[in-house]
Amino acid sequence: EDKVVQSPLSLVVHEGDTVTLNCSYEVTNFRSLLWYKQEKKAPTFLFMLTSSGIEKKSGRLSSILDKKELFSILNITATQTGDSAVYLCGRSARQLTFGSGTQLTVLP
Amino acid sequence: DSGVTQTPKHLITATGQRVTLRCSPRSGDLSVYWYQQSLDQGLQFLIQYYNGEERAKGNILERFSAQQFPDLHSELNLSSLELGDSALYFCASSVGPSSDVSTDTQYFGPGTRLTVL
Repeated sequence: EDKVVQSPLSLVVHEGDTVTLNCSYEVTNFRSLLWYKQEKKAPTFLFMLTSSGIEKKSGRLSSILDKKELFSILNITATQTGDSAVYLCGRSARQLTFGSGTQLTVLP
Repeated sequence: DSGVTQTPKHLITATGQRVTLRCSPRSGDLSVYWYQQSLDQGLQFLIQYYNGEERAKGNILERFSAQQFPDLHSELNLSSLELGDSALYFCASSVGPSSDVSTDTQYFGPGTRLTVL
């Protein structure tokens, strides 16, 4: 079975901290790597990555893909309490396979 | 709001019963995906339909079935329900599949919370 592994499973930080979330995946039939944010409801789309080394950025969030080492990272700078959520990484091949997610808690 | 709608929002039923969950994709999207999310299993892909045809199957039980209708809405039927079927069921939609990887992006509906007592 294709695997997507996210780490850490859980992270607690204070507002203003910078966090890095990790996602490693298996390469079979790789098309793209997607990041989603889930706040007690539906996952909302953050980024799609297809090429190595090209950073995608949206405000305080950024993400990059390394297709050689088969991983992606999601960075959040100057974290806010509203960033508290589960962050899901999904690898798109024949289907979208998700990791178990990283639970981020940002304390005031 | 992703543009994907799901009904009902919550569903409580008893073991052995059958339920139907409904999903309407975003305007213009031809693919519909169903996922199950439970606390111990994470987000699990169940099945995909594209323009009315089954496209891909994941970890879907034989007691579960789905279809996509000509107007592109989809229904997920769950029968002989067991306690372990209690979960959030998400529908997602996308334009694809196609060779253009940008069509991989899936947009999720708000989910149906199923509780089996």
